[in-house]
Amino acid sequence: QQQVKQSPQSLIVQKGGISIINCAYENTAFDYFPWYQQFPGKGPALLIAIRPDVSEKKEGRFTISFNKSAKQFSLHIMDSQPGDSATYFCAASKADKLIFGTGTRLQVFP
Amino acid sequence: SQTIHQWPATLVQPVGSPLSLECTVEGTSNPNLYWYRQAAGRGLQLLFYSVGIGQISSEVPQNLSASRPQDRQFILSSKKLLLSDSGFYLCAWSTGTDEKLFFGSGTQLSVL
Repeated sequence: QQQVKQSPQSLIVQKGGISIINCAYENTAFDYFPWYQQFPGKGPALLIAIRPDVSEKKEGRFTISFNKSAKQFSLHIMDSQPGDSATYFCAASKADKLIFGTGTRLQVFP
Repeated sequence: SQTIHQWPATLVQPVGSPLSLECTVEGTSNPNLYWYRQAAGRGLQLLFYSVGIGQISSEVPQNLSASRPQDRQFILSSKKLLLSDSGFYLCAWSTGTDEKLFFGSGTQLSVL
């Protein structure tokens, strides 16, 4: 049973555009929702995270939007750059165990 | 500062051979330790996690096992590798007081 569903599987965006990746979760006990960024051949690194008591969190060009009633959250990358090309994973956790989505491969073309 | 070391970076093993991947964390005490597997085109699957020496929880039944012989050492093992064990294996740690997870650089395992 997949507890965190992520879409799309891949995304192509032109430089300067907005990249949007969506995730949905099932377990209402989850209380922490991070996004991780992974470059080829490397381990994932924490990008930004949110807790369900807020609906939005922004850090630079990266924004998480959170909809508790719909059990959905999304990552928005504003002014996407070629250096943002990577695989992005959403995740959800309760009690120290992170459950990851299946990942989105983002390609930003100049 | 805390660092996590994982080795080897790449490994090619024949089917039926044993496996031992090692991970160590520096700069922190009593971390929570995790092994994840990332198969091609798939997400990160939690295999094992440990909250202390000798304490291992298995998330997925398989022919892999994990051990934590020391506070900051986590080992992933197999007695006989299968083709389906191929993948990118990631060790990770957290403080146990918050949910932030820090990953190692991974081991690309190819079973032929």
